[in-house]
Amino acid sequence: AQSVTQLGSHVSVSEGALVLLRCNYSSSVPPYLFWYVQYPNQGLQLLLKYTSAATLVKGINGFEAEFKKSETSFHLTKPSAHMSDAAEYFCAVSEEYGNNRLAFGKGNQVVVIP
Amino acid sequence: SQTIHQWPATLVQPVGSPLSLECTVEGTSNPNLYWYRQAAGRGLQLLFYSVGIGQISSEVPQNLSASRPQDRQFILSSKKLLLSDSGFYLCAWNLGGNSYEQYFGPGTRLTVT
Repeated sequence: AQSVTQLGSHVSVSEGALVLLRCNYSSSVPPYLFWYVQYPNQGLQLLLKYTSAATLVKGINGFEAEFKKSETSFHLTKPSAHMSDAAEYFCAVSEEYGNNRLAFGKGNQVVVIP
Repeated sequence: SQTIHQWPATLVQPVGSPLSLECTVEGTSNPNLYWYRQAAGRGLQLLFYSVGIGQISSEVPQNLSASRPQDRQFILSSKKLLLSDSGFYLCAWNLGGNSYEQYFGPGTRLTVT
């Protein structure tokens, strides 16, 4: 079955510094990959997606991610953190069999330090 | 454009009481529908999904059940709540076919006391 690993449940970053959230996946077929953001007491919002087109994907709020097949990675970055980036971030990979399910990572809680 | 609604937004229920959470989608037809539970620090757990009216697949055995009485309506129920049912419940939809991205509702915060 497909799976996603996100290391480090909590990530602290200074305002204006690089945001880097790591995501490694396992999949026996070419995957579709996603990053979602969740603000407190809200649903998940799609940040960006990789669907086998360009390997560098740009999303909303200045985030981007790069698909690297050789490393089975899809890391999320933002050059300069803003206070409003404080949230939880989830990486997800498409399930191989049926019903368009996604396998989610455990998430990274991002804290932005002023 | 498509919109997904969930209600209620928050709910406090005693142990042993019944539960009914509702999710509706607007602006699309025959979506795939999903129920997730998010417990503190434990990520998202897929509970049920549905590819059509009356078609429900369960991912985790538990005292919860789901129904899809109409194309764009998905209901999560329980006859008797347990303390462990507390959490944040999220409904999501997806177009199906070659589309994998899921779109989430605002969630329901359930506290079982």
